[in-house]
Amino acid sequence: DQQVKQNSPSLSVQEGRISILNCDYTNSMFDYFLWYKKYPAEGPTFLISISSIKDKNEDGRFTVFLNKSAKHLSLHIVPSQPGDSAVYFCAASADNNNDMRFGAGTRLTVKP
Amino acid sequence: DAGVIQSPRHEVTEMGQEVTLRCKPISGHDYLFWYRQTMMRGLELLIYFNNNVPIDDSGMPEDRFSAKMPNASFSTLKIQPSEPRDSAVYFCASTQGLAALNEQFFGPGTRLTVL
Repeated sequence: DQQVKQNSPSLSVQEGRISILNCDYTNSMFDYFLWYKKYPAEGPTFLISISSIKDKNEDGRFTVFLNKSAKHLSLHIVPSQPGDSAVYFCAASADNNNDMRFGAGTRLTVKP
Repeated sequence: DAGVIQSPRHEVTEMGQEVTLRCKPISGHDYLFWYRQTMMRGLELLIYFNNNVPIDDSGMPEDRFSAKMPNASFSTLKIQPSEPRDSAVYFCASTQGLAALNEQFFGPGTRLTVL
């Protein structure tokens, strides 16, 4: 049962434009959400997170938006750079459960 | 700290053979996770440990899979016997404190190919 879903396996964006990666979840108990970035032949690395008490968290070019009523979150990257090309995983957890559920990932390609 | 260390980086084996994957977490981290990455399902949590004790192994696909953490600095994931459908990248990750709220640090992964 995929509790965290990333329905777009891939996304291609022109350099300088905005990249929007989407994530949906089904478990209403999730209250903490993270985005990880993964380059080929490397493990995922943490990018940005958001708690359910917020609807937005910003860190430089990266902003995560959370819509709890829709059980949806998105990661915005602006402006996109070729170095952002990677697989992005959405993850979710509940503070009463010490595990984390990941989506299948979205491969972002930023073209020069 | 060198980060999470996994070995081997690549493993090719034949169906029916035993495979052992190894992980050294970051020193001081009290949670350790094993994940499997496939194209279809992305990152799946297999099992996690807290202070060397297995907490949740509900993600372990079959009895052919087993994991141990004999001490705070070492964990193994064993598949016996291995099957072609086990081919995937296996990641180990560790974190400190309440795992649900903290970022996890991943190792580079072990790419397993079962022929």
